[in-house]
Amino acid sequence: GAGVSQSPSNKVTEKGKDVELRCDPISGHTALYWYRQSLGQGLEFLIYFQGNSAPDKSGLPSDRFSAERTGGSVSTLTIQRTQQEDSAVYLCASSLGRQALGGEQYFGPGTRLTVT
Amino acid sequence: GESVGLHLPTLSVQEGDNSIINCAYSNSASDYFIWYKQESGKGPQFIIDIRSNMDKRQGQRVTVLLNKTVKHLSLQIAATQPGDSAVYFCAHNFNKFYFGSGTKLNVKP
Repeated sequence: GAGVSQSPSNKVTEKGKDVELRCDPISGHTALYWYRQSLGQGLEFLIYFQGNSAPDKSGLPSDRFSAERTGGSVSTLTIQRTQQEDSAVYLCASSLGRQALGGEQYFGPGTRLTVT
Repeated sequence: GESVGLHLPTLSVQEGDNSIINCAYSNSASDYFIWYKQESGKGPQFIIDIRSNMDKRQGQRVTVLLNKTVKHLSLQIAATQPGDSAVYFCAHNFNKFYFGSGTKLNVKP
């Protein structure tokens, strides 16, 4: 399909391991966002990419979290030395325009991360 | 700080009735507002948006009302159907997006 895709859909990992979450945005969308959603909670902003650069990383909770985007397309969110409190659904979204201008964000189905 | 909040965490309505979901925001400079629907196990899905130069916008069975004076946003769903059962999030944009914690809508058959 032409929507935002994320992989894996589910990830179970042991505490202390590193994980990589992948997001494929809609083709042509220059803006890409990562959010975290804990059970029954709203969306917590993590990071925003415009092209390959990340002008807003203010939501990353610690230096264990990092993200990159290559070719203005695919993005990877990496969590090092995972902790149980990292367990959540990680959502990716993309949009055509810059964040400050607003505009619809299209969300992927999310990756459910469980840290045991 | 910035905030977007919801008045009711859970709303139960009878099928066929109208639903109203409310949201408050704190930044009067916000200029763009969105309502999202999130079904269980899925990502949020865009429903309707409105810019600050408008106070009402209608879609198919949905209407968004914006009251800038009291910084309040509402989503009205007409003739609510079982398929409308989901969590509804409001979000606003002031340089970045801020999301509320969501209201769960239960539609009783």
